[in-house]
Amino acid sequence: NAGVTQTPKFQVLKTGQSMTLQCAQDMNHNSMYWYRQDPGMGLRLIYYSASEGTTDKGEVPNGYNVSRLNKREFSLRLESAAPSQTSVYFCASSGGQGTTRGWHNEQFFGPGTRLTVL
Amino acid sequence: LAKTTQPISMDSYEGQEVNITCSHNNIATNDYITWYQQFPSQGPRFIIQGYKTKVTNEVASLFIPADRKSSTLSLPRVSLSDTAVYYCLVGDAYSGNTPLVFGKGTRLSVIA
Repeated sequence: NAGVTQTPKFQVLKTGQSMTLQCAQDMNHNSMYWYRQDPGMGLRLIYYSASEGTTDKGEVPNGYNVSRLNKREFSLRLESAAPSQTSVYFCASSGGQGTTRGWHNEQFFGPGTRLTVL
Repeated sequence: LAKTTQPISMDSYEGQEVNITCSHNNIATNDYITWYQQFPSQGPRFIIQGYKTKVTNEVASLFIPADRKSSTLSLPRVSLSDTAVYYCLVGDAYSGNTPLVFGKGTRLSVIA
């Protein structure tokens, strides 16, 4: 199993450009998440999808949109990139109800996408 | 959401036991305590989770007192490879309504 995969690994954008970050998981998890991590900071939740067909805002949703394409895939879109969105973006997933540790707790993270907006 | 407070950084020598304490004074009845580890340039990795008393796995131990207002992650005999940021999270394991919040964590530096 690949776990959680993210594409691309690196990206440089100019201010105002748009792009979509892709995330896929092969663990049959119900819940998926997008975080950003700025240098020296903890992770901040952007959006999450508790189950297929639902999405909810996290702590820092402004400037982003998400799509839960199917159970496996959860994409993050920047419509008009700004320098303040320069960050490392992590996607994560976790199992649904009935799992031993609960569906929000044991999250599996992807390798991250390093985004620079000039 | 129960807010957590943990030290910003800690230093330790190789071979020592390291204890990182997390305060969570307003923990709720259904909340579990979970710890993650993050190495540079990687996503966080689940270490251990508990509800009360003591939990131990191959990586760490988690001590939770009876009042559950704090918890201590114990790493036995650390090595240089344990240098990482450690996050303490508190949240309801089964409701699914509110996601967990990662704070800034504790940056552990292991010195040779």
